[in-house]
Amino acid sequence: GQNIDQPTEMTATEGAIVQINCTYQTSGFNGLFWYQQHAGEAPTFLSYNVLDGLEEKGRFSSFLSRSKGYSYLLLKELQMKDSASYLCAVKEAGNKLTFGGGTRVLVKP
Amino acid sequence: DARVTQTPRDKVTEMGQEVTMRCQPILGHNTVFWYRQTMMQGLELLAYFRNRAPLDDSGMPKDRFSAEMPDATLATLKIQPSEPRDSAVYFCASGLPGQGLGELFFGEGSRLTVL
Repeated sequence: GQNIDQPTEMTATEGAIVQINCTYQTSGFNGLFWYQQHAGEAPTFLSYNVLDGLEEKGRFSSFLSRSKGYSYLLLKELQMKDSASYLCAVKEAGNKLTFGGGTRVLVKP
Repeated sequence: DARVTQTPRDKVTEMGQEVTMRCQPILGHNTVFWYRQTMMQGLELLAYFRNRAPLDDSGMPKDRFSAEMPDATLATLKIQPSEPRDSAVYFCASGLPGQGLGELFFGEGSRLTVL
């Protein structure tokens, strides 16, 4: 079966850095996605890792270690608009995408 | 501006009624996913299709839920009869493996409330 774990909630201050961890145990692995979801809205794509290492995209970076079944999303220079849920998702065989429970990030002034 | 379109956006119904949700995937996308989201369970995969064929619907309660793709531009999710525990936001997402990163694009969701 699949198991994708991430913390339920995190709080950080505007301008700070927050790291959201995701661990997974899945029957197959063809890549890991991070999505952002604001309250009442649809998830939107943030980043994708299929090889080990760090992918950087502006203020957001994502890291993957396949041997450890571990990824993190790093949000730098936090802004109020970054308050949202961040969803870790694993792509398995057949392009099936399974999501973790999501981490709600609250950015405080 | 290509996007996934879902109808209805909001639906309130009574227990026992039939509910049909519709999704128009992005033109050219050949994979379509149905997810259900609640506060308690997060995003749960209900079913997904590739080239209109169902690949996996193991996440879907078979006795009351059904998912189909009558053609490449329409996916449907039907609940009959509906129950209060079906209250959730239902998202449709589409993608094209091999294009870009193969990411999924989500519709705005259909918020279902069963009284």
